Amino acid sequence: TQLLEQSPQFLSIQEGENLTVYCNSSSVFSSLQWYRQEPGEGPVLLVTVVTGGEVKKLKRLTFQFGDARKDSSLHITAAQPGDTGLYLCAGGGGATNKLIFGTGTLLAVQP
Amino acid sequence: DAGITQSPRHKVTETGTPVTLRCHQTENHRYMYWYRQDPGHGLRLIHYSYGVKDTDKGEVSDGYSVSRSKTEDFLLTLESATSSQTSVYFCAISEIGFRVGNTIYFGEGSWLTVV
Repeated sequence: TQLLEQSPQFLSIQEGENLTVYCNSSSVFSSLQWYRQEPGEGPVLLVTVVTGGEVKKLKRLTFQFGDARKDSSLHITAAQPGDTGLYLCAGGGGATNKLIFGTGTLLAVQP
Repeated sequence: DAGITQSPRHKVTETGTPVTLRCHQTENHRYMYWYRQDPGHGLRLIHYSYGVKDTDKGEVSDGYSVSRSKTEDFLLTLESATSSQTSVYFCAISEIGFRVGNTIYFGEGSWLTVV
């Protein structure tokens, strides 16, 4: 069974702090996506990375795909309360050829 | 926002009763999916469809069936609900299925409680 483990599971920080969320697997994926989900809503795609070592930036968010395409990280600079939500990674093109979601990281940014 | 409507949004049902969740899309996307979301498990694929009357199982399909008689509608049925099926169910749609670069759009979710 393919698994994507995210760490930490929960993170509560103050506005202005930096943070990094990790997404790890023993499986190789062709692509890695990150989603953000707000309470009472469905996940919304933030970014897709497809090349080992690829780095993408979305304003204060930086996403990196591991060189071996087994892991990814999401770094947020100067977090704001609007960044609060559940962050999910999802790997595509693995052994099952389905999109496999990670366990999620719940982020709370206190003003 | 992608045009995805799930109904009902909230439902409480008794163990052993049948339940049907409906997903309606206005985007004319070929692929439709049903996921369930549970704490500590992220989102898990139940079933998906790649066209009218074309469906396949996901990773947690036991106890669930689906039907797609029209492009815009994808139904998820729990034939005999159990407490382990208490969850939040998300419908999703996409144009190109499980391929690199695919974008999946999610509905707002259906909260199901089985008592």
